[in-house]
This record gives sequence, structure tokens and C-alpha cells, in this order.
Amino acid sequence: QQQVKQSPQSLIVQKGGISIINCAYENTAFDYFPWYQQFPGKGPALLIAIRPDVSEKKEGRFTISFNKSAKQFSLHIMDSQPGDSATYFCAASKRNNFNKFYFGSGTKLNVKP
Amino acid sequence: DTGVSQDPRHKITKRGQNVTFRCDPISEHNRLYWYRQTLGQGPEFLTYFQNEAQLEKSRLLSDRFSAERPKGSFSTLEIQRTEQGDSAMYLCASSQVGSQYNEQFFGPGTRLTVL
Repeated sequence: QQQVKQSPQSLIVQKGGISIINCAYENTAFDYFPWYQQFPGKGPALLIAIRPDVSEKKEGRFTISFNKSAKQFSLHIMDSQPGDSATYFCAASKRNNFNKFYFGSGTKLNVKP
Repeated sequence: DTGVSQDPRHKITKRGQNVTFRCDPISEHNRLYWYRQTLGQGPEFLTYFQNEAQLEKSRLLSDRFSAERPKGSFSTLEIQRTEQGDSAMYLCASSQVGSQYNEQFFGPGTRLTVL
């Protein structure tokens, strides 16, 4: 059973548009929610992360929105660029075990020029 | 390059053969993780070490899998009697105890194909 559900599976966005990727979870023990970016042939790289004590975190063009009551969080990529084309994974870890990450199934983003 | 390195990057083997992968973490990191990633899926946790101690193993890590980190530096993951279902990308990550939320830095992975 997948503990973190991610959608959509794939996403096509025009250059300059907003890319939105959503994740949902059930386990209220989750306390840390990172997003990873993965290019073909590379390992995942941490993009941005959030804890549930804040509802939003912004770093440059990347924003995480967090809805604790709905147990959902999303990644927004503003002014999407072709260089953002990659697979994005949300993840979660528990407050008593930050060592074990549970990953979503990934979203393949294609930003068209 | 001071990132996580993995060797080999690709491995093709026949069913029933044994394979071993190596991971070199970032030098000052004392935690090391192994994940498996199949096509179209996110990484799945396999095991992790703090220094040389293996502290947690997933149920995904069957008896055919063994991981070691003998001196608390590099780690090896061995798969015995490989099966076609073992075909996947094997990712290694490392982190530093004391980092606020245990940020894990991933290597490029070893892609295993079992024929």
C-alpha cells in the first residue's frame, strides 16, 4: 500500500506556465515532506521541503503548499522553464524516524518551449 | 566531486548470478541508505546504516540481499541468485547526523538488468 499518493503521473506545461503537482497521505505521524527532482540517469536531488507547522514555503520559483487538515501538499513551479523538465517525487517521513522516506510514484513534467 | 558515488552504473547479469554494488557516501556523512527504484515508481527504502551498524531493514530486503558497511565509510549491496524481478535502479543516499531533517543526498544509482 502506497503511503504517499501522487498525481498527475505526467504533466505538460507551456514555458512560462505554472506546474502543479499534488500529493496526499493518510498517516498523521508524517512530519517532514520533501520534494525531489530527478533527471534521466541521475539520482533524485532535494528541491524543497516543508514541515506541517507552516502552510507554505517558497524558494525561488518553487512553492510548497501544505494543507494539514486535508493531509495534502502540492508543489507549484512558477514560470516553468524547459530546464524544469524532469520527474518530481514527493516524499514523507515520520517524526520518530526521519531516516525512512516514503516516496510518491512520481510526476514526469515536460515543459514545452 | 564530493557527491555520493556508485559503482557500477550499469550491470547486466543472467538469472541466478550474484551481483555486488558499491556506494561511497559524502565523506563526512555517517548515515547511508539503500533504495530500490523500479521504472515509473518512486524509490523504495531498503535499509540504512549509521556508521557501520545496520539499523533498519525493509521487508523488501529478502534473504538473497545483504548490505554491509564494514568501516563506516563505503557500503556494498549484494544480491545472490538474482531473479528477473530484481531488475531495478539501486540508489544509495547519505546524510549527516545532526542535520535538521536528515536531508538525504542521492547518488546516480546502479541500474541492474537481470536477463
